Amino acid sequence: QKEVEQDPGPLSVPEGAIVSLNCTYSNSAFQYFMWYRQYSRKGPELLMYTYSSGNKEDGRFTAQVDKSSKYISLFIRDSQPSDSATYLCAMSPHTIIIQGAQKLVFGQGTRLTINP
Amino acid sequence: DAGVIQSPRHEVTEMGQEVTLRCKPISGHDYLFWYRQTMMRGLELLIYFNNNVPIDDSGMPEDRFSAKMPNASFSTLKIQPSEPRDSAVYFCASRRIAGGTGELFFGEGSRLTVL
Repeated sequence: QKEVEQDPGPLSVPEGAIVSLNCTYSNSAFQYFMWYRQYSRKGPELLMYTYSSGNKEDGRFTAQVDKSSKYISLFIRDSQPSDSATYLCAMSPHTIIIQGAQKLVFGQGTRLTINP
Repeated sequence: DAGVIQSPRHEVTEMGQEVTLRCKPISGHDYLFWYRQTMMRGLELLIYFNNNVPIDDSGMPEDRFSAKMPNASFSTLKIQPSEPRDSAVYFCASRRIAGGTGELFFGEGSRLTVL
């Protein structure tokens, strides 16, 4: 079993729809959670990060962490064609300031297409 | 800042040939990571460096793979001899710990095809 599971999709939705992207994980020590966005033929770039449980909102994007269920989500409201990309979740047992705990574990990525 | 710079962007080679991928991290970043991305396995960490010193190379698949970081502004990932199953996109990423969020900054990748 992989430490982080993410449905690779592809997921295709119409413009304006609410998109829900999810990851599950098995390591209860994970505390630091990130979402990266990767456009075609580009490197991943950080979209959002959260520490421990709860919600975090940034414009049209909301990240949720449910540590009791070992489940994280990314919601995109009013989706736009420019949101079409692959979304990768990533997580780490520790915050980045702890010596040696530098490894992020990535999900496989979900390929998302927003149709005009 | 120019971001993480990788070269070559594309490499097509024949099985058995040596491949060298290059990376220039963002100036001032003290961690450098090499990842490999495939459709089947996603993004896999191969090795990472802290202040030019290799810290964890447990992700390097075989002895055919080696990585070096001779100074703070340059790293190489070498595959010798290359095999078709090495075909993938190889990403370099760097990170600054002090005063930062720990965000990984990725290059645009080197797409390797081994025939």
